[in-house]
Order: sequence, then C-alpha cells, then structure tokens
Amino acid sequence: NAGVTQTPKFRVLKTGQSMTLLCAQDMNHEYMYWYRQDPGMGLRLIHYSVGEGTTAKGEVPDGYNVSRLKKQNFLLGLESAAPSQTSVYFCASSTTPGTEIAKNIQYFGAGTRLSVL
Amino acid sequence: GQQVMQIPQYQHVQEGEDFTTYCNSSTTLSNIQWYKQRPGGHPVFLIQLVKSGEVKKQKRLTFQFGEAKKNSSLHITATQTTDVGTYFCAGPTDSWGKLQFGAGTQVVVTP
Repeated sequence: NAGVTQTPKFRVLKTGQSMTLLCAQDMNHEYMYWYRQDPGMGLRLIHYSVGEGTTAKGEVPDGYNVSRLKKQNFLLGLESAAPSQTSVYFCASSTTPGTEIAKNIQYFGAGTRLSVL
Repeated sequence: GQQVMQIPQYQHVQEGEDFTTYCNSSTTLSNIQWYKQRPGGHPVFLIQLVKSGEVKKQKRLTFQFGEAKKNSSLHITATQTTDVGTYFCAGPTDSWGKLQFGAGTQVVVTP
C-alpha cells in the first residue's frame, strides 16, 4: 500500500516552460489537494478536488491548472513557469468528511521540489 | 477569511528541556489537527482534537484544545533530537474537508 505517490521528485525548469506534476493515491480517497510550501508560509492550497471529474480553486490558484480524470490521480499543470513558482509542491488526499470528522485527516505525498530559473 | 496563526515561528530547545507551541484561530473550529514535518520530509498527521477542553497525550507530547475551540497547544516534555522538525496545526475551513494550515513552528534541538 503505497499511499500517496508524487512524480517527479525534483525538477528544474526554465522560465516559460511547461510541466505536469502527477499525484496518485491508492487509498480510494474521494478528496485530493495540491499545496505549495514556501519558507515561513506554511502550506497554501492551490487547487483541490472533491471527486472524479471535479476541481476547484484554492487559496493560490493563479498560474496553475488541474485535472482529475480518474479518482486515483490528480494532475497539476504549469503552462508557463515563472520563477515565483519555485517551491515544494505537496499532494494530499482524504476521505469524504461526511458525518465523521476524523475523515478529513489528510495524507501527504513526499513532495516535488521545483526550481524555475 | 479564517486565519490560523502559530507562535513561535522558531523554537530552539536544549535536549531534555520542555517547550510549548501555540495555535490560534480567528474562528471557532469543529476540530483541530496537528501534523509534523521532518526536515526534507512531508507533513504527517499526529493527532486530531474535537471536544472543547480536550487533552490528548502521545508519549512526551501533550495536545490541548481550548475551551472556546479557537486555540490549541502542543507541549513537549524532555525534548529529544527525534523531535526536530516543523509542527503545523490545521483547522477545517468548511465541511468539504479543506484545511487551513498555520505557518508552523520549526523546532531545533541542541544536544
């Protein structure tokens, strides 16, 4: 049981290049999230999905797009990378909160360290 | 919108000493969660508190949820080098499972 797997682990891009980060989970979770982590700023939500085929904007969505074509996968795309997007990106998943509060516990992948030059 | 603030931002601790880190929310929370991130690692869930005034212990770690459900604390006794990392608190922003994370307390332990 791998949990949440992110690929790639590291990437260096030039300004203007595009790339896709892949997140895969094998826990049959409905909810998936993309965060970015910058020094001193904690985790900021970029986009999230409450189920297959759905996506929604988080706190810092500009410059990113996402897709959730399959329940187990959540893709984060950068169409034209900028130096301000240099960060560590984390994917997370959780079960549907419903009536059980404990179901909104989030499980994180190992992260993708992205540098944009 | 809801804000979750943590203090201190950094905590330097001598091995064997105790310390406390605090988490404050601008709104009342249905629950609060704590996560730990080791250097170079990813956040890992530690504990969830749900009830007003709730106190939970995990070995040397004691977590408390305030009576008004707007603040929480993490107290570590007899700090060890294994406690190094950043501790985040997080509270739900809505019923859809989204969490608002605090900026974290980075803990450095001096042997």
